Amino acid sequence: QVQLVESGGGVVQPGGSLRLSCATSGFTFSTLAMHWVRQAPGKGLEWVALIWYDGTNKYYADSVKGRFTISRDNSKSTLYLEMNSLRFEDTAIYYCVKNQAVSYFGVDVWGQGTTVAVSS
Amino acid sequence: DIVMTQSPDSLAVSLGERATINCKSSQSLFYSSNNKNFLAWYQQKPGQPPKLLIYWASTRESGVPDRFSGSGSGTDFTLTISSLQAEDVATYYCQQYYSTPLTFGQGTKLEIK
Repeated sequence: QVQLVESGGGVVQPGGSLRLSCATSGFTFSTLAMHWVRQAPGKGLEWVALIWYDGTNKYYADSVKGRFTISRDNSKSTLYLEMNSLRFEDTAIYYCVKNQAVSYFGVDVWGQGTTVAVSS
Repeated sequence: DIVMTQSPDSLAVSLGERATINCKSSQSLFYSSNNKNFLAWYQQKPGQPPKLLIYWASTRESGVPDRFSGSGSGTDFTLTISSLQAEDVATYYCQQYYSTPLTFGQGTKLEIK
């Protein structure tokens, strides 16, 4: 079955950096776009970034544009999120999310998430 | 950006009764080339990631009980739980995937009355 396992979260000071990873299995990773979605404590869901199946196109929420970079390694079936210049408001659970199909950007399967806490 | 607005923010329904959650988008989610509405519904229980319930506004995801149904088109959508079960206590989110940035409603917290 489809599995998405995030890692790399932790506590970081404002202005610091983290790199999240999402190891995937159970589907053909190289054929589907992938997303990161986050959820601040006690809050709703916020889409963060999207990367096409081949990595050629990337889209970001305005709140992270210029600070976060989404990437993927299709040979390792792994998705990444490089986070720089972290702010207090980036504190959240970060979910790796699989695109549902090749022709549109609906999502279906979510990982369990990894927690990022920005604190001084 | 497309703004998604859910109502109500919270809802208390008796077991076995119907629960209805509404979602309104700031622009149409209907794409005429494939005759579909780019709208999904998710269920999130405490401490768990969201789970896809409905996509294309009314298509139930595999394994989702048939008491869950989605309806609507254009800018107005509804998630209905026909007979509330205890395990349905959760927060429900609508989401548009018509365009980036993908956006979610603020969530509706469903509880037992």
